[in-house]
Amino acid sequence: GENVEQHPSTLSVQEGDSAVIKCTYSDSASNYFPWYKQELGKGPQLIIDIRSNVGEKKDQRIAVTLNKTAKHFSLHITETQPEDSAVYFCAASRDRNTGFQKLVFGTGTRLLVSP
Amino acid sequence: KAGVTQTPRYLIKTRGQQVTLSCSPISGHRSVSWYQQTPGQGLQFLFEYFSETQRNKGNFPGRFSGRQFSNSRSEMNVSTLELGDSALYLCASSRDRSTDTQYFGPGTRLTVL
Repeated sequence: GENVEQHPSTLSVQEGDSAVIKCTYSDSASNYFPWYKQELGKGPQLIIDIRSNVGEKKDQRIAVTLNKTAKHFSLHITETQPEDSAVYFCAASRDRNTGFQKLVFGTGTRLLVSP
Repeated sequence: KAGVTQTPRYLIKTRGQQVTLSCSPISGHRSVSWYQQTPGQGLQFLFEYFSETQRNKGNFPGRFSGRQFSNSRSEMNVSTLELGDSALYLCASSRDRSTDTQYFGPGTRLTVL
């Protein structure tokens, strides 16, 4: 079945440093890859997503890269701030044209940014 | 525009009881998906509803069911509650079935005693 592996499970950085979270997926038919940020007591919040026809996407301090051949995708956060501290989840889903909406999530990365 | 809302936010039940959770999607969104989040199993897909029909279902027992109304609001029901059903139940909405972007609500925290 589908599986998404996520590393590391915890990541501690100093404010201003960069943080990188990596995910690997098993379903070669996956072509949509969102990243969510979840703060304590809240639901996951979409922060960035990428589709398989794009190799990289950037939004201010956040970027996502995708390597479909290796089935890897990564989240890059630059100039981290304490408010970036949260649990981050990667996810993958299949061809949106089939209407198949199931997201398969990674196990999450707890990011701690120290001032 | 208001986000996804879920009610109630917290719920305490005892084993054997049943529970109904409610989700109101973002205005204009027609697809609603439900996920279960636990420390041990992470985020797992329960089911997806679109146009009042269940379109996709995850690997959960038949005790878990749901429905969607004509206004796209959705409910999920868990019957004969077990201790292992304690979890955060999340609802996500998307515009339609051809749109991947899903927006999550704050969740309902269910505790089964």
